[in-house]
Amino acid sequence: RKEVEQDPGPFNVPEGATVAFNCTYSNSASQSFFWYRQDCRKEPKLLMSVYSSGNEDGRFTAQLNRASQYISLLIRDSKLSDSATYLCVVDMNYGGSQGNLIFGKGTKLSVKP
Amino acid sequence: EPEVTQTPSHQVTQMGQEVILRCVPISNHLYFYWYRQILGQKVEFLVSFYNNEISEKSEIFDDQFSVERPDGSNFTLKIRSTKLEDSAMYFCASSDQGAAETQYFGPGTRLLVL
Repeated sequence: RKEVEQDPGPFNVPEGATVAFNCTYSNSASQSFFWYRQDCRKEPKLLMSVYSSGNEDGRFTAQLNRASQYISLLIRDSKLSDSATYLCVVDMNYGGSQGNLIFGKGTKLSVKP
Repeated sequence: EPEVTQTPSHQVTQMGQEVILRCVPISNHLYFYWYRQILGQKVEFLVSFYNNEISEKSEIFDDQFSVERPDGSNFTLKIRSTKLEDSAMYFCASSDQGAAETQYFGPGTRLLVL
């Protein structure tokens, strides 16, 4: 069974803190990796794709370790508006997959003033 | 910015009734998906659709479920005879190139089966 595992949290941090999320995935054939955020009772929204070389978008940095099948997300200088559930997402990728995604259960982040 | 839309936002139905959930994907997208999220649980893949046919479906997508693209803009999910355990948020998503490309999610339809 192909799964994505995340620490469920919640992570409660003060504004300005740095917070890291970790994720492991079981399907070694997966090729595409993403972090989505989901606000309460809302749809998932893409935060960033994760590339093998690692990538950064402002305060957000994503890393991928294919050998360990491990993905991370680092948020620096956290803001109140970063409070959400962060979803680790991996494509199913088995011969001909059209991009069907496997979601982790998500890690809930709460940033306090 | 173009977006995926879904109707209705909420639907309450009696067990055994048929429901149709509607989605309008982003206009130039070619790949369409349905996911569901039971309250408090993770988002789960149901089905993908490309070139007017189902590409893949999960174990959840049994004979009670069907999808259709009746015209050039709508993409529907039908549940023929709803069960209590079908209560969930149903998300439609679309992408322009399928695998490895960003999927854009609609706001969801919250289905409650009584």
